[in-house]
Amino acid sequence: AQSVTQPDIHITVSEGASLELRCNYSYGATPYLFWYVQSPGQGLQLLLKYFSGDTLVQGIKGFEAEFKRSQSSFNLRKPSVHWSDAAEYFCAVGNDYKLSFGAGTTVTVRA
Amino acid sequence: DGGITQSPKYLFRKEGQNVTLSCEQNLNHDAMYWYRQDPGQGLRLIYYSQIVNDFQKGDIAEGYSVSREKKESFPLTVTSAQKNPTAFYLCASSLGSSADTQYFGPGTRLTVL
Repeated sequence: AQSVTQPDIHITVSEGASLELRCNYSYGATPYLFWYVQSPGQGLQLLLKYFSGDTLVQGIKGFEAEFKRSQSSFNLRKPSVHWSDAAEYFCAVGNDYKLSFGAGTTVTVRA
Repeated sequence: DGGITQSPKYLFRKEGQNVTLSCEQNLNHDAMYWYRQDPGQGLRLIYYSQIVNDFQKGDIAEGYSVSREKKESFPLTVTSAQKNPTAFYLCASSLGSSADTQYFGPGTRLTVL
């Protein structure tokens, strides 16, 4: 069965600094990988997804992620964080018509 | 606007009562999903449905039931058998394959007193 690990429970970053959120997955075949963002008390919004082709994926709000098969990773990055990026971020792997989610990383942005 | 609606946003129930959470989508999606979210645990799949009149158990189906009588609706009933029902419940829909984006509703926060 597939699984997703997000090693960082909470990250604090200064506004304007870069951000990287880690995601490791366990899955036998080529995975379908997703990053979602959730503001407090809200639903989830898709940032980006990977299912084939170029291993560097561009998403919305200036985010990008890189798929590294050798490391079973799909890390999310943003070069310059804005205060509005404070939220919870979830990595997910898709298989058999379902998604399996990591536990999430909460991002706090300080002025 | 197309999207997913969940109602109500906040729901309070007494212990031992069944409660039904509503989920409606107008995206013409075949597949619909119910997740439960608890702090620090991410989202866990309760039930999913790929087509009308068919649904499958997810990872934590015990104490929950669903129906899928219409393509646009996928209500979730939290029964009295669910031992710890207080949580945030999210509904989602997609075209149906593993590569398709799931679109989420705004969620319902259920508190059992």
